[in-house]
Amino acid sequence: NAGVTQTPKFQVLKTGQSMTLQCAQDMNHNSMYWYRQDPGMGLRLIYYSASEGTTDKGEVPNGYNVSRLNKREFSLRLESAAPSQTSVYFCASSDPTGLGQPQHFGDGTRLSIL
Amino acid sequence: GEDVEQSLFLSVREGDSSVINCTYTDSSSTYLYWYKQEPGAGLQLLTYIFSNMDMKQDQRLTVLLNKKDKHLSLRIADTQTGDSAIYFCAESMMWQLTFGSGTQLTVLP
Repeated sequence: NAGVTQTPKFQVLKTGQSMTLQCAQDMNHNSMYWYRQDPGMGLRLIYYSASEGTTDKGEVPNGYNVSRLNKREFSLRLESAAPSQTSVYFCASSDPTGLGQPQHFGDGTRLSIL
Repeated sequence: GEDVEQSLFLSVREGDSSVINCTYTDSSSTYLYWYKQEPGAGLQLLTYIFSNMDMKQDQRLTVLLNKKDKHLSLRIADTQTGDSAIYFCAESMMWQLTFGSGTQLTVLP
């Protein structure tokens, strides 16, 4: 019972490099989310996807792009990484019959931009 | 704008009750949530309360909502060492959640 799986768990990038964070869920959930967590702050929503083929911007979308490849997978891309994007990134999903809010989180990707 | 505030730290003795407090600003929030984050892990949805309720009990957890004062609290009865974690409250508007900064709960033996 994997739940929400994120890869990689850790990554160090240089400023200007690009990378894609992967997320997959095996619970047949429609809604998926990407959040970032910075020290001393709560989670902030980057992007949200209500279903395959749809995405919406959250509170802090600048510098990021997303792809909802299919129902299972929701990826987050940094095209040109900046030190301000150093953070812990969490992917989450929610059950369509539930509250509509993120219920299941991955363990996070710890990203450092030098 | 929306803002959710929590105290940063709370220490309790094992077996005592813990009370974690939260204030929010958006009176139109429909649901309010409590999440738990253990070290190195993602958040886990603990419980929630609908905005027209005053109280919700779920085993050792009791959520109290004072809508007039925009105050939310989470009481953990008989706190155990396994309850040591960061607890986040969050308020919702449509599909957006606004999280507090989290309260680090430390349970002392």
